[in-house]
Amino acid sequence: DQQVKQNSPSLSVQEGRISILNCDYTNSMFDYFLWYKKYPAEGPTFLISISSIKDKNEDGRFTVFLNKSAKHLSLHIVPSQPGDSAVYFCAAHQGAQKLVFGQGTRLTINP
Amino acid sequence: DGGITQSPKYLFRKEGQNVTLSCEQNLNHDAMYWYRQDPGQGLRLIYYSQIVNDFQKGDIAEGYSVSREKKESFPLTVTSAQKNPTAFYLCASSMGGAGRQETQYFGPGTRLLVL
Repeated sequence: DQQVKQNSPSLSVQEGRISILNCDYTNSMFDYFLWYKKYPAEGPTFLISISSIKDKNEDGRFTVFLNKSAKHLSLHIVPSQPGDSAVYFCAAHQGAQKLVFGQGTRLTINP
Repeated sequence: DGGITQSPKYLFRKEGQNVTLSCEQNLNHDAMYWYRQDPGQGLRLIYYSQIVNDFQKGDIAEGYSVSREKKESFPLTVTSAQKNPTAFYLCASSMGGAGRQETQYFGPGTRLLVL
């Protein structure tokens, strides 16, 4: 029972263009969502988060959008840079500090 | 320089052996967590602790044990009962507090391999 799903295992984007990573969830009780970036053999690094009372949060090149009616969130990276190549995980807060993670999307930025 | 440290970076386990993974944080966080990552999959929660001397099972606790005797430390033991222990293990911490919308911060991970 996958409560948080990232349906695209991989995404390839040209440098300078916009990268859009998507995430769907099933549990309407989730109240806080996070995106993490992960390089191979390293721990995930926190990128950006959004509370369920908002529909958008922006931090520099990163913007997260939340559509509660569709149970969908997305991460926009613009402009994309080579250093953005990594695996991106979305996660949802389930109370008692528990996070539920998606399977991840591998983003490759091509020069 | 605050952060989360995990040791060792690589760990080899023989059949029937228990091994312990270390996790230490100096962020003064109350809550700590252990996750497991398998290739092509997301992170799955093994155990978590919201406060010293207290911990709860996560989604895949079978074959694992933890202790939380100090705020800074949350070691994970992979027992011989864990039949498929080969994975990348990640420790995380957060400030803690019931109901808070929190960010978890991760250590660099330990890769466990079975000989």
